[in-house]
Amino acid sequence: QKEVEQDPGPLSVPEGAIVSLNCTYSNSAFQYFMWYRQYSRKGPELLMYTYSSGNKEDGRFTAQVDKSSKYISLFIRDSQPSDSATYLCAMGKGNTDKLIFGTGTRLQVFP
Amino acid sequence: DAGITQSPRHKVTETGTPVTLRCHQTENHRYMYWYRQDPGHGLRLIHYSYGVKDTDKGEVSDGYSVSRSKTEDFLLTLESATSSQTSVYFCAIRRSGSTTDTQYFGPGTRLTVL
Repeated sequence: QKEVEQDPGPLSVPEGAIVSLNCTYSNSAFQYFMWYRQYSRKGPELLMYTYSSGNKEDGRFTAQVDKSSKYISLFIRDSQPSDSATYLCAMGKGNTDKLIFGTGTRLQVFP
Repeated sequence: DAGITQSPRHKVTETGTPVTLRCHQTENHRYMYWYRQDPGHGLRLIHYSYGVKDTDKGEVSDGYSVSRSKTEDFLLTLESATSSQTSVYFCAIRRSGSTTDTQYFGPGTRLTVL
């Protein structure tokens, strides 16, 4: 069993929809939680960073961490075609040196 | 932009040949990382460095070596490339700030081993 599980998708939604992306994990030692966005043939770019539990909002993006359920989510409001990318979750334990990544969820937002 | 460049950006090589990939950063970060990305596996850590001449193994280090003789450069070497090392390789740096402490990635090197 992988430490971090992520549905690979693809997830296809119409423009303006609310998107929910999720990861589950098995190791309760994870304290750092990140979401990266990766466009085709590009490097991952940091989207959201959360330490410990709770919610964090940045514009149209909201990251949630539920440590009791070992579950993290990324919500995208008013999705745009430019949000079409692969979204990777990543987690770290005592620090952010050895991150464990999910396999990524491919999102397509159609006009 | 994390101030990271990788070279070459694309490379095709033959089985058994040595290959060196270079990661260069301009922001004087202490920590640097090499990952490979493959379908179905996501990003997996190969090696990382926590200072000049200080390196450690990651999850998938077999067949790879690294060197860091200067803060700004982190080299990944495949001593004798195999077809299983065909992948996209990403370099990353760790940046610590007031609100974040995490890794930022370079543009990647696409390596094909025939």
